[in-house]
Amino acid sequence: AQTVTQSQPEMSVQEAETVTLSCTYDTSENNYYLFWYKQPPSRQMILVIRQEAYKQQNATENRFSVNFQKAAKSFSLKISDSQLGDTAMYFCAFMKHVYSGNTPLVFGKGTRLSVIA
Amino acid sequence: DTGVSQDPRHKITKRGQNVTFRCDPISEHNRLYWYRQTLGQGPEFLTYFQNEAQLEKSRLLSDRFSAERPKGSFSTLEIQRTEQGDSAMYLCASSLGLGGSGANVLTFGAGSRLTVL
Repeated sequence: AQTVTQSQPEMSVQEAETVTLSCTYDTSENNYYLFWYKQPPSRQMILVIRQEAYKQQNATENRFSVNFQKAAKSFSLKISDSQLGDTAMYFCAFMKHVYSGNTPLVFGKGTRLSVIA
Repeated sequence: DTGVSQDPRHKITKRGQNVTFRCDPISEHNRLYWYRQTLGQGPEFLTYFQNEAQLEKSRLLSDRFSAERPKGSFSTLEIQRTEQGDSAMYLCASSLGLGGSGANVLTFGAGSRLTVL
């Protein structure tokens, strides 16, 4: 079974600074997807960024980028120029490649990020 | 398209009562997922459908829980004889099925919060 571990329950960052959230995972699969989802207070979960394991290039989406280390099974999220609206729970998640069989999304326990003005 | 809709948003019930939640996915999505999220935790997978077929159920889904997606469109999640431990946010998500370019990207609803007294 796949597991996802987020070792930082809470983090804080000053507005405009950079913060990195950590995530490690365990799997025997070779092809899979990794995701970061954001859940603002009392609001629904939205996708921040995704990475396909067979792609060596790290994914980026505007101020959000990942550091994907496949051998180390590590998938960290870097948020640059942090904004107050980035305050949220951030969940790292794993999914086997769809052609490896039916598979749900497996989530970590989350990191609560507070951006401080 | 208004995204994934869930109803009701909040439900307060007494222990032993039955409750039913409804989820309307994005219209072109043929995969539909149910997750449960307790306070401060990541979502835990319950079950998912491809069209009207229920493809996988978690061990978390006890006999008191039943999910249906009769016409491959909306889905219902029923909890019979509710217990205080059932108090949680029940999240629905949808995605494209196999072959779709977004098959691995789940779009979440706002959730249905259940409180069992």
